[in-house]
Amino acid sequence: QVHLVQSGAEVKKPGSSVKVSCEASGGTFSSDVVTWVRQAPGQGLEWMGATIFMFGTTNYAQKFQDRVTISADEATTASYMELRSLRSEDTAVYYCARGRTKYEAPLGYFDLWGRGTLVTVSS
Amino acid sequence: EIVMTQSPATLSVSPGERATLSCRASQTVGSNLAWYQQKPGQAPRLLIYGASTRATGVPARFSGSGSGTEFTLTISSLQSDDFAVYYCQQYNNWLRYTFGQGTQLEIK
Repeated sequence: QVHLVQSGAEVKKPGSSVKVSCEASGGTFSSDVVTWVRQAPGQGLEWMGATIFMFGTTNYAQKFQDRVTISADEATTASYMELRSLRSEDTAVYYCARGRTKYEAPLGYFDLWGRGTLVTVSS
Repeated sequence: EIVMTQSPATLSVSPGERATLSCRASQTVGSNLAWYQQKPGQAPRLLIYGASTRATGVPARFSGSGSGTEFTLTISSLQSDDFAVYYCQQYNNWLRYTFGQGTQLEIK
């Protein structure tokens, strides 16, 4: 059974970058969509972007368009989310989640989630 | 961007009673609507997709309804394990998703 393993907590300085990984333990993402969602302390879920592995197609929320890159390894076993120009407001738990596809189109909802990675931005 | 608005922000209900949570979309999303449950310190859990289909393993006391712009999550006969935050998410457009701000369901 596949589960998603995320990298460990990070502490970063303002202006720096962070790269969080999400590994499909026990499987691959070859026919899946991986999305990244963040949650600031005490706040709701915020969608950042998503990628369809089979097409290499990625889209980002407009808010993060200029600062985030979602990528994947060639073996389709891991997804990465890099956020640049970090500021204190980026302190949050970052989740990856898997969605399935059907007839090569994303279903759009996410049935498997990682445990989250806490990123703290502080000087 | 499609904006999802959930109401109320906080809902106080007694165990054994029914809870009704609402989610409104700023434009039609058809039936492309999911509901998630999140407990403190945990990742979200998929409850409902396609506006009304329960995900695998979700108890029958959870039901979803609606289409277009108005959606409802109903939890009949609340159990202690159901007190959590609930989020709706639209997925009407390819890789362009948004979440509602959440409804905190608390014990009355």
